[in-house]
Amino acid sequence: DAGVTQSPTHLIKTRGQHVTLRCSPISGHKSVSWYQQVLGQGPQFIFQYYEKEERGRGNFPDRFSARQFPNYSSELNVNALLLGDSALYLCASSLEGSARAFFGQGTRLTVV
Amino acid sequence: QKEVEQNSGPLSVPEGAIASLNCTYSDRGSQSFFWYRQYSGKSPELIMFIYSNGDKEDGRFTAQLNKASQYVSLLIRDSQPSDSATYLCAFITGQFYFGTGTSLTVIP
Repeated sequence: DAGVTQSPTHLIKTRGQHVTLRCSPISGHKSVSWYQQVLGQGPQFIFQYYEKEERGRGNFPDRFSARQFPNYSSELNVNALLLGDSALYLCASSLEGSARAFFGQGTRLTVV
Repeated sequence: QKEVEQNSGPLSVPEGAIASLNCTYSDRGSQSFFWYRQYSGKSPELIMFIYSNGDKEDGRFTAQLNKASQYVSLLIRDSQPSDSATYLCAFITGQFYFGTGTSLTVIP
C-alpha cells in the first residue's frame, strides 16, 4: 500500500519566489494536513482540509495557502518566499473521525 | 496558548537499558496523545497513541498518561541503537500540537 507521498522531495528557491508543494494521501483518507518543521523544532500546524473544505488554519501569514482536490490530493502554496520559510514541509493524512495521522516523507524547502 | 513541553535532551542510554521520555501539555481538554519517532532528515513516524489514563504497552514501548497531572511519558525497554532518534510528543485538539522533541542516543 502506498503511504502519503509528497513532491518534490527537495527544492531550492530564491527569496520573493513562489512555491507549490504537492501531497497525495493514503488511499481512503479524506483529511490532509500540512505542517512546517524548522530545524530543531517540532512540526507546526499550517492547514487542515477535509472533503475539499478548510477545517483549520494555524498561525501563518496569508502568503501561505492550500487547497484540496476531488481526489483528496492537496497543494500548499507559499508566495513571496522569505529566508525563514526554509523548512521541512510535512503532509499528513488521516481517516474520517480518526486522530491518527500518517506523515509523508516531506519536502525540504531551502530559500536562498 | 496550547503547548507541549519536552526535555530536549540529548538523552543517552546504554544498549539494553530503559529509556524514559517525558512530556507535559497545557490543554486539560486534550483527549488524545501521541508519540512520534523521527530519524534525522526523515518524517515523523507514529509509534504509540494513548487516550485513557494509565499505561498502554506495545512491544518494547509503554506509554503512560496522567490527565490530572497533564503528563504523558514513553518508556522504551531493552533500548537498541536503532532507537536513536528524536521522539516527538503531541496532542490533538482539533489540530496537532507537537513538542520540540527529545533526542535519544542509545550507546552500543
